[in-house]
Amino acid sequence: KAGVTQTPRYLIKTRGQQVTLSCSPISGHRSVSWYQQTPGQGLQFLFEYFSETQRNKGNFPGRFSGRQFSNSRSEMNVSTLELGDSALYLCASSPTGQGAFEAFFGQGTRLTVV
Amino acid sequence: EDQVTQSPEALRLQEGESSSLNCSYTVSGLRGLFWYRQDPGKGPEFLFTLYSAGEEKEKERLKATLTKKESFLHITAPKPEDSATYLCAVLKGSQGNLIFGKGTKLSVKP
Repeated sequence: KAGVTQTPRYLIKTRGQQVTLSCSPISGHRSVSWYQQTPGQGLQFLFEYFSETQRNKGNFPGRFSGRQFSNSRSEMNVSTLELGDSALYLCASSPTGQGAFEAFFGQGTRLTVV
Repeated sequence: EDQVTQSPEALRLQEGESSSLNCSYTVSGLRGLFWYRQDPGKGPEFLFTLYSAGEEKEKERLKATLTKKESFLHITAPKPEDSATYLCAVLKGSQGNLIFGKGTKLSVKP
């Protein structure tokens, strides 16, 4: 069974640009969550999508947005990039997002803003 | 405020030297506690889920336990390949997101 696939693996962007990251969950999983990981803050929750609806949102500015498609694939977008947005962005999928919650993570997208 | 604190931040062991990692939490309405292993440049790898105080789970050289305030990850006779950062996370209330600790970086020397 294929795991969570994130593309691209690496990105270099210039401050002020925008970026879109993609996540394909494990087949049959309907919940997709996004996390930002930095050395200083660790793993921080961005948002969760379930059946194409945003169900939970973390404490990040509105420049961070996401969406989920009918096949459960998800994208996150960051507009007006800042140097502080440089991080490893991780996507996690789980069967339902509630009850027995076991999140499986992808390899992440390493975003560098210069 | 919900908090997950892991200690120590870093731990160096000799191969075969058993030890424990700690994860303490102050979260209302805990629904589950999770342990992950993360290797450099990779995403976290799921290890265990614990749901109630007194619960224990084992996998190879790892054993996770849970009390009302903390969890321990016991590593018995570790090997160099156990070197990684171990992350603890909790799921609370009706939220669907995990709250992570900062992790314990484990180094096992041969």
